[in-house]
Amino acid sequence: AQKITQTQPGMFVQEKEAVTLDCTYDTSDPSYGLFWYKQPSSGEMIFLIYQGSYDQQNATEGRYSLNFQKARKSANLVISASQLGDSAMYFCAMREGRGGGYNKLIFGAGTRLAVHP
Amino acid sequence: DTAVSQTPKYLVTQMGNDKSIKCEQNLGHDTMYWYKQDSKKFLKIMFSYNNKELIINETVPNRFSPKSPDKAHLNLHINSLELGDSAVYFCASSQLGLAGLTDTQYFGPGTRLTVL
Repeated sequence: AQKITQTQPGMFVQEKEAVTLDCTYDTSDPSYGLFWYKQPSSGEMIFLIYQGSYDQQNATEGRYSLNFQKARKSANLVISASQLGDSAMYFCAMREGRGGGYNKLIFGAGTRLAVHP
Repeated sequence: DTAVSQTPKYLVTQMGNDKSIKCEQNLGHDTMYWYKQDSKKFLKIMFSYNNKELIINETVPNRFSPKSPDKAHLNLHINSLELGDSAVYFCASSQLGLAGLTDTQYFGPGTRLTVL
């Protein structure tokens, strides 16, 4: 069974508009972390935002926010005021358990976002 | 002031050769990882090391041998390279936080390996 599902292979958005990238996850572990990474065409993996399973509030980092709905097991990334430089591949990932190398990061298939001027 | 660095960035080699990829992090993290990203962009963990000890070995052929000489370095040696080994290999590092739950992994720039 897929642990992390990103149902949108590709999305596009107009510059300055907001966009939501979907991510659903599957785990029975009460302790887990959810991450979003950005991979531009240059290839590096850039950490964007983290949400812990016990966090009461949705995470925010600048123009990025995570819409965490625990009961629905979804962790959607919202990018506000899109910029041309946001065009990239976006990966949702989950780490079950305690971390520290003992639990792997499981990635979704990614969503390719194109920002149009 | 690069946080996680890898060398080389590109590696082109013939089938059957042996090659190494080096990774260094200057973040003071105690855990390091190797991931493989295939041609469809799918990322999968290969290994993790915590304080130089192998923790995760994710059903990787034994032609792949990681080595961690110290906490700041994790190298990947690949013997008898095959066409299917062509991929981008990412090194990452993390530090288990006081709360034990954050443990964000920071990635290196990747090494694009092409086996001809």
